Amino acid sequence: EIVLTQFPGTLSLSPGEKASLSCRASQSIVSNNLAWFQQKPGQAPRLLIFSASTRATGIPDRFSGSGSGTEFTLTINTLEPEDFAMYYCHNYGSSIRTFGQGTQVEIK
Amino acid sequence: EVQLVESGGGLVQPGGSLRLSCSTSGFTFSSYEMNWVRQAPGKGLEWISYINSRGNAIYYADSVKGRFTMSRDDPKNSLFLQMDSLRVEDTAVYYCTRGVANWGQGTLVIVSS
Repeated sequence: EIVLTQFPGTLSLSPGEKASLSCRASQSIVSNNLAWFQQKPGQAPRLLIFSASTRATGIPDRFSGSGSGTEFTLTINTLEPEDFAMYYCHNYGSSIRTFGQGTQVEIK
Repeated sequence: EVQLVESGGGLVQPGGSLRLSCSTSGFTFSSYEMNWVRQAPGKGLEWISYINSRGNAIYYADSVKGRFTMSRDDPKNSLFLQMDSLRVEDTAVYYCTRGVANWGQGTLVIVSS
């Protein structure tokens, strides 16, 4: 089982700032099948990024994903008020899929 | 429009069983792999099972292996999760997902005496 470790656990930023969220895998992720999700309280997760760097349909271009192998990053340029939420990375490249524990992006 | 609607959640005693359903529409169900993901109250996301489009490859997280059974009924465009020997720690919102792209709104399962 690939363990995903997200850091930091909490990111305190102001609107307009840039957020960088990290996700480290215990083994290389096959075909860079790494996704990022955003989740707000009481809502289902929403897909932001798949294949490590491809934005999902309808996702603003201030969201970008990068990385390969075992190190991945989600960058949110110019935080908007609606971006303050929980973010999860997800490995779907192996038969046993896993999620990271999440990074909370909160308003400073 | 892709739609996934889970049902079947509720309150059950430890050791009991429950069968979750996920009714889908808006896409060719038989062509897609599906998953079940759960989220305990106040906790993170936990992937629990996967089924490929043909239904001949099914995988489970260790936490549910041997207790949960995932299946699909392509003519009915539906996904199922049979949950047996339920434990208190299985209490969560259960989501069905189409690959990684689409999620239902979830159904709440509470295991308590």
